[in-house]
Amino acid sequence: QLQLQESGSGLVKPSQTLSLTCAVSGGSISSGGYSWSWIRQPPGKGLEWIGYIYHSGSTYYNPSLKSRVTISVDRSKNQFSLKLSSVTAADTAVYYCARVVVPSYMDVWGKGTTVTVSS
Amino acid sequence: QSALTQPRSVSGSPGQSVTISCTGTSSDVGGYNYVSWYQQHPGKAPKLMIYDVSKRPSGVPDRFSGSKSGNTASLTISGLQAEDEADYYCCSYAGSYIHNYVFGTGTKVTVL
Repeated sequence: QLQLQESGSGLVKPSQTLSLTCAVSGGSISSGGYSWSWIRQPPGKGLEWIGYIYHSGSTYYNPSLKSRVTISVDRSKNQFSLKLSSVTAADTAVYYCARVVVPSYMDVWGKGTTVTVSS
Repeated sequence: QSALTQPRSVSGSPGQSVTISCTGTSSDVGGYNYVSWYQQHPGKAPKLMIYDVSKRPSGVPDRFSGSKSGNTASLTISGLQAEDEADYYCCSYAGSYIHNYVFGTGTKVTVL
């Protein structure tokens, strides 16, 4: 059974870079037909898609975040990562990683990790 | 890309049916049969309930159903149960050019 687990810095200072990793277990991140996505949810608000990376390494980002986001994959460790630069308080959120059954839906989600941007 | 529009809240008594709408545009909901629905209980990760407009993943009760007409998708919960009280989000693929996904604003379902 595929499982995803987010990890990374829970507290980030304004203007710095947020870094998170999603470890994939129970399956290969290189499997065809899937992409690997990041989604976030600010406190008390709805879900926002951040971006995803295909098994091939191609990436696609939310246009509103594109200038600050980088998603990468480490096949040797079976994990993928998110970097969000120049963070502000508006980037405070629970960050989820998820598997996308291309091009349609997110079928497996991590439990989420809380990131707070504060000095 | 604007969020898909959902009602803020809906409610119903146990055993009743409720329907949640999800309105987008011809660039997302209306353009593709890639609408999915997620249930989220407080403090938990979203759970897939419906995909490709009307398909149910294994393990999801058949009282959850989905449909679409034009730019509006809908999720219906029949025979409402206490455990159905949660937030629900729709999501749509928004195009092969920009490879985007857009979520709905979310709906709180309350079981009276």
